[in-house]
Formats: sequence, structure tokens, C-alpha cells
Amino acid sequence: QKEVEQNSGPLSVPEGAIASLNCTYSDRVSQSFFWYRQYSGKSPELIMSIYSNGDKEDGRFTAQLNKASQYVSLLIRDSQPSDSATYLCAVNRQDYGQNFVFGPGTRLSVLP
Amino acid sequence: GAVVSQHPSWVICKSGTSVKIECRSLDFQATTMFWYRQFPKQSLMLMATSNEGSKATYEQGVEKDKFLINHASLTLSTLTVTSAHPEDSSFYICSAREGESAEAFFGQGTRLTVV
Repeated sequence: QKEVEQNSGPLSVPEGAIASLNCTYSDRVSQSFFWYRQYSGKSPELIMSIYSNGDKEDGRFTAQLNKASQYVSLLIRDSQPSDSATYLCAVNRQDYGQNFVFGPGTRLSVLP
Repeated sequence: GAVVSQHPSWVICKSGTSVKIECRSLDFQATTMFWYRQFPKQSLMLMATSNEGSKATYEQGVEKDKFLINHASLTLSTLTVTSAHPEDSSFYICSAREGESAEAFFGQGTRLTVV
């Protein structure tokens, strides 16, 4: 089993809809979780970080963490064509020193 | 967010030559820097992790003698691709973070083309 798994997509949603991106991780000692957005040909940029169970909201973005299920998700409300990108989930395992692991990414396409 | 500057943003070099890529954290002290490579339409591949003042830890399959990493200060890490070949052509990206639980911020990336 890979350490961090994501559905590669593409995930297509109509403009204005909610896009739901999911990520699972295998190591229970993971403590920090991050979502990055990467546009084609560009480097990733940080969107959200989440450290405790529950929801964290920032504008149109909501990150959800469930450590018992080893699951973290990102919801994008009122999706816009400019949200079309690859979304990367990253997990930090502190007890392995500074091990920062990325998932393969989910490609999101928001259709106008 | 914090700023990580990577230079150059693109470079073309002849086969057999070496290329150095710099990664600087501009407004924080980067205790850890990561170097990635990304081929078109593929995901990020971690090459190595470096901590300031110590040797880099390379991922399996990454030749440490070919990809030389130096993290001499808390704000600068360099990746040197030695004796570059066309198959080394890729998008190289660095990221840096301050502290073990902190977010990592990415540089702009360097597109290397070896001809």
C-alpha cells in the first residue's frame, strides 16, 4: 500500500458545484496534513494545512481530517474554471524525522 | 506564505556539462529542504531531503554522485546535476520548511533541457 493515496482523476465538475478531493494515508503516526494546488508547468502552492480532527475552512476551501479513518479531504465550494489544476495531498510523519510525503495528485477540471 | 526563490527558472545545457540550481528561503530559516523532479504529466518524485549542515538523504534510485546537494546555510541549498544527459531533462523543484511540523513552501521550479 502506498503511503499517501489519491484518485488520479480527472475529476470533472460543473462551474459553481462543490468539488470533493479525497486522500488516504497509511501511517497512523502522521500528524500534519497539507493540500497543495499545482497548475500545469508550475510548482505547487500551499492551499491549506490541517493538524487536528474536524473541519477547517478558508474561503471557498474546507479541509476535513479524520485520523481514525486515516482520511483527509478538500472541498472546494462554488468551483471556478480557475480551480482546474492538480491537487496534491501531503502528509508529515514527525517520528520519522522530517518525512514529508506527497500523494500522486488528483486532476480537477471545472467545466464552464 | 513564506517565499522560496529558485534560480534559474530555466536552463539549456549541452550533454556532459554540469548545471547548478539554487534554492533560497527569503524570509525564514529552512531547517529542511527537499528536491523533487517532475516529468510531464507525472507526479512529484522526491529526490533527496537535506538538513542544514548535514549530508543529504537520497531516495532509492537517485545517484548521489550525479545529483550533488549542498545545504550549507539555513537559507540556501543547491542541486548540481553533474555530467548531464538528455534523460536528465526535467522540471526540478525545491521546497523548504522551518521546523518539523511546518508547511513546506515551493520554489518556482527549474526547467532543465539537456541537448
